[in-house]
Amino acid sequence: QKEVEQNSGPLSVPEGAIASLNCTYSDRGSQSFFWYRQYSGKSPELIMFIYSNGDKEDGRFTAQLNKASQYVSLLIRDSQPSDSATYLCAVNPGNQFYFGTGTSLTVIP
Amino acid sequence: DTGVSQDPRHKITKRGQNVTFRCDPISEHNRLYWYRQTLGQGPEFLTYFQNEAQLEKSRLLSDRFSAERPKGSFSTLEIQRTEQGDSAMYLCASSHGEWAGQETQYFGPGTRLLVL
Repeated sequence: QKEVEQNSGPLSVPEGAIASLNCTYSDRGSQSFFWYRQYSGKSPELIMFIYSNGDKEDGRFTAQLNKASQYVSLLIRDSQPSDSATYLCAVNPGNQFYFGTGTSLTVIP
Repeated sequence: DTGVSQDPRHKITKRGQNVTFRCDPISEHNRLYWYRQTLGQGPEFLTYFQNEAQLEKSRLLSDRFSAERPKGSFSTLEIQRTEQGDSAMYLCASSHGEWAGQETQYFGPGTRLLVL
């Protein structure tokens, strides 16, 4: 079982819609959770981090964490074509970071 | 620019040659990580340093790979006797590891390696 699982997609949404990205993790001791955006050929860029159960909002982005169910999600409101990228979920159980394989998102104008 | 920097950005080498990559972390960050990423995959952990100490190394890392961070600042990753399977993007990231479980890491631009 992989440490972090993501649906690889591709996920397509129309411009202006809400994109929902999901991630599950295996280590119940995980303490911190991250979402990175990665454009093709570029390095990952940190979008959000979340440490506590519940929602955390930053602009058009909302991260949701449910430790009991071991999942973390990212909602992108008012999706823009510039949001088209691969979104990586990362989890830190305390000693290192584990990344999922990423979900490819395409926002259609 | 106060972000993480990596050099070179691209490297083409022939199989069997040695290559060395450099990473300069964000100045106040005490932790430095190396990852490898291939197409369609997420970053794969290779090793990490806290200051100059190498605290963890992936079991997947063969003995052809070695990393150093001699003064707790920049780091180098060397691959000896490169193989075609080493072709990948090598990413460096740094973080401030003061708060266990709440560190946030930031990536450099990566070094793309192609082994012919």
